Amino acid sequence: SAVISQKPSRDICQRGTSLTIQCQVDSQVTMMFWYRQQPGQSLTLIATANQGSEATYESGFVIDKFPISRPNLTFSTLTVSNMSPEDSSIYLCSVEIPAKRSEQYFGPGTRLTVT
Amino acid sequence: GNSVTQMEGPVTLSEEAFLTINCTYTATGYPSLFWYVQYPGEGLQLLLKATKADDKGSNKGFEATYRKETTSFHLEKGSVQVSDSAVYFCALSDPTTSGTYKYIFGTGTRLKVLA
Repeated sequence: SAVISQKPSRDICQRGTSLTIQCQVDSQVTMMFWYRQQPGQSLTLIATANQGSEATYESGFVIDKFPISRPNLTFSTLTVSNMSPEDSSIYLCSVEIPAKRSEQYFGPGTRLTVT
Repeated sequence: GNSVTQMEGPVTLSEEAFLTINCTYTATGYPSLFWYVQYPGEGLQLLLKATKADDKGSNKGFEATYRKETTSFHLEKGSVQVSDSAVYFCALSDPTTSGTYKYIFGTGTRLKVLA
């Protein structure tokens, strides 16, 4: 498995501002993923971040709103830009480890509240 | 496309009761199937998995069998404890044409166990 940490664990932000969420893994991984979990809902994939290339966004998510960086094999960031109350969610990163490619391991999540 | 359908919650049980949470799936290929658990205020933890038909995944007293004929992966536990109170997500993982594994999550079932 993999140990994944996220920062911050939670934040309360003003509308119109931006927040960058960090995801750190304790081993090198090729694929990292960012999900959104809106209150009481299931997980929705925002984008897939492959090291050395542009992130691939799912339908309904755009780079201008959710820019992602993936500078190396153990780290990624997701920025939630120009926030509105509708962005209040838990944001989770996950990784796919090379030895178990069909499995994903999740970080603890970042709980974001936009006021 | 692929999908996962999970029984709606909340499910409320007394301690030591038998638990079943139903999950059915639709997939064009041969997916791997998973149950994840999310305890209050935390991220998702992999509970168990099965990678092919008739496989049984088990962990912490929970088990689920990959039934291809009924396209189901129901979660069961013989005797629940208060500490099992959490949200349970059924998920499938299917390889995409680009070689990555895409996850599809069910909507989650909240379990509450009363002492």
